Order: sequence, then C-alpha cells, then structure tokens
Amino acid sequence: NAGVTQTPKFQVLKTGQSMTLQCAQDMNHNSMYWYRQDPGMGLRLIYYSASEGTTDKGEVPNGYNVSRLNKREFSLRLESAAPSQTSVYFCASSERPPMNTEAFFGQGTRLTVV
Amino acid sequence: AQSVTQPDIHITVSEGASLELRCNYSYGATPYLFWYVQSPGQGLQLLLKYFSGDTLVQGIKGFEAEFKRSQSSFNLRKPSVHWSDAAEYFCAVGRNDYKLSFGAGTTVTVRA
Repeated sequence: NAGVTQTPKFQVLKTGQSMTLQCAQDMNHNSMYWYRQDPGMGLRLIYYSASEGTTDKGEVPNGYNVSRLNKREFSLRLESAAPSQTSVYFCASSERPPMNTEAFFGQGTRLTVV
Repeated sequence: AQSVTQPDIHITVSEGASLELRCNYSYGATPYLFWYVQSPGQGLQLLLKYFSGDTLVQGIKGFEAEFKRSQSSFNLRKPSVHWSDAAEYFCAVGRNDYKLSFGAGTTVTVRA
C-alpha cells in the first residue's frame, strides 16, 4: 500500500526560486493537509483541504499556495522561496476532517533554501 | 485558545526500563487525543487515540495512554522500552474546526 506519497524527498532552492511540492494519496480520503516541521515547534498546519474543491489556511500560510487538483492530489507551492521556509514538509490525509479520525502522513520533503 | 504542551523536550531511558511521556492540552470542548511516533527520517505513525469511553487506551508496539480530564492530561507509557523505541513522539488534539494541533514533541533516547 502506497498510502501518502510526497515528491521530491529532498530539494535545495535559491532564495527567490519557486517550486511545487506534490502529494498524492490512494486511500480515497476526503481531507488533505500540509504541515511544516521545525525543531522545537512540532508540526504546524500550513493549509488544508477538508474536501475536494475546498482549501483553507492553517496556522502558517504566508508564502505558500495550495491546489487540490482532484481527490487524490494536493500540491503546495512556494512562489518565491525564503530561507525561513527551510523546513521539513509533510503531507497528510484523513477520511474526513481530523477531529476524530486518524491522519496518515507521507515521508516528508526536506527543503533547504539558501 | 487551544494548545498542546509536551513538557519534556528530551528523555533518556535505559533499555528495559519504563517510559512515561507527558502531554497536557487546553481545549474547551471534548478533546480527541492522539499520540504519534516519528522515527528518524520517517513520517509520523499513529500509536493510539482517545475519543471517548475507557480512559486507558492501548496502542501499537506495547504503548498505552491514560486520559485524565481533571488534569487535562494524556500521558503515554510503556512498561519496558526496546532500543527500537528511540524516536520522537508527538501528542496531538483534533479540533472541531478540522485542524489537528501538535505539541512540540519529545525525543526519546534509549541507552543499552
């Protein structure tokens, strides 16, 4: 079972460059999420999509955009990367909004902005 | 405001010894509580969850957690730690506004 697949696994960007992080899930989940993980801060929600066709801001949305391409795919775009966006990014999905359901996580994308 | 606090940043435990990781939450409504584990370089895996009912919940890998409403706590325990339990552990609370909020995490080191 693939579960949640993220690409790429590693990326180095120069300040000002743009890139898109891809995420796909094969569990027919309705809800998908993007988190960033920084040392000592746990995981912080960037954006989420409660269902296909909807997206909403999380705790730290500035500098990011998202697209829920279809039920399977949820991408995260950095339009002009900044060193403060150096982080590990995780995509997750759940059957429905995570109030009382398990979220499944991808393996993460380690992004360095120089 | 809702938050999840994990007071211990780092815990070192001997193999075979018991382990307890603390988690406190502040949330006005009924909390939905989770513990996740992250091995180095990996994503997060669910250990256990509490929604309602019995306040002592069993999870995978021999872990259990106890929900104490009076103390706003959801502490994770394991009676005998194995070297493979070295990882980072996250407590999380599911909220009514579709968000899952995480604590800062506790890193567990297991010494032989």
